[in-house]
Amino acid sequence: DVKVTQSSRYLVKRTGEKVFLECVQDMDHENMFWYRQDPGLGLRLIYFSYDVKMKEKGDIPEGYSVSREKKERFSLILESASTNQTSMYLCASRTLQGPLNEQYFGPGTRLTVT
Amino acid sequence: AQKITQTQPGMFVQEKEAVTLDCTYDTSDPSYGLFWYKQPSSGEMIFLIYQGSYDQQNATEGRYSLNFQKARKSANLVISASQLGDSAMYFCAMREGHNQGGKLIFGQGTELSVKP
Repeated sequence: DVKVTQSSRYLVKRTGEKVFLECVQDMDHENMFWYRQDPGLGLRLIYFSYDVKMKEKGDIPEGYSVSREKKERFSLILESASTNQTSMYLCASRTLQGPLNEQYFGPGTRLTVT
Repeated sequence: AQKITQTQPGMFVQEKEAVTLDCTYDTSDPSYGLFWYKQPSSGEMIFLIYQGSYDQQNATEGRYSLNFQKARKSANLVISASQLGDSAMYFCAMREGHNQGGKLIFGQGTELSVKP
């Protein structure tokens, strides 16, 4: 069974704090993704990574950065958290093997910035 | 322009009845894949079903089937014999064949409530 874990289910931070969201997958997947989910907007891609040390901007990268030093771990960093970054954050991973290459998701982190 | 559109923010269905969740998409890429995910209140996204643009037959997976109408660019999810556990958010998503890394584009979601 593929397992994608995220470091926290719920997180409360103050405006201006640096925030780290961690994601770990245990299936040696090449690709990893960070999305944010907001009501009425669905999921929007923030950043993704093809492989270790490789990253690409998604649709809404402003205010975020990422790090992938090891294949199994993909970190999302909010350099200076703002209230408009209050959201649900979902991490996903995907292998290039297999017929469907579907993405497997973690349980999500609900971040509140006050 | 919105690439994936789900026009039903919320839907109700009686237990044991069938329900159709709508999804339309827009792409100029001849090679693409369409996915449906379920998100229960616990938050995790669960993969349900996949349809490739070149697949000749509509995808089916247990009680889930995908009504794929390529000319209309629609990929509606049909859930037969609804169960109380089907109450959740449902997302339609598309992966375009040309894009590297397998990015998914998601619709806004439909919240399904199954009534006993």
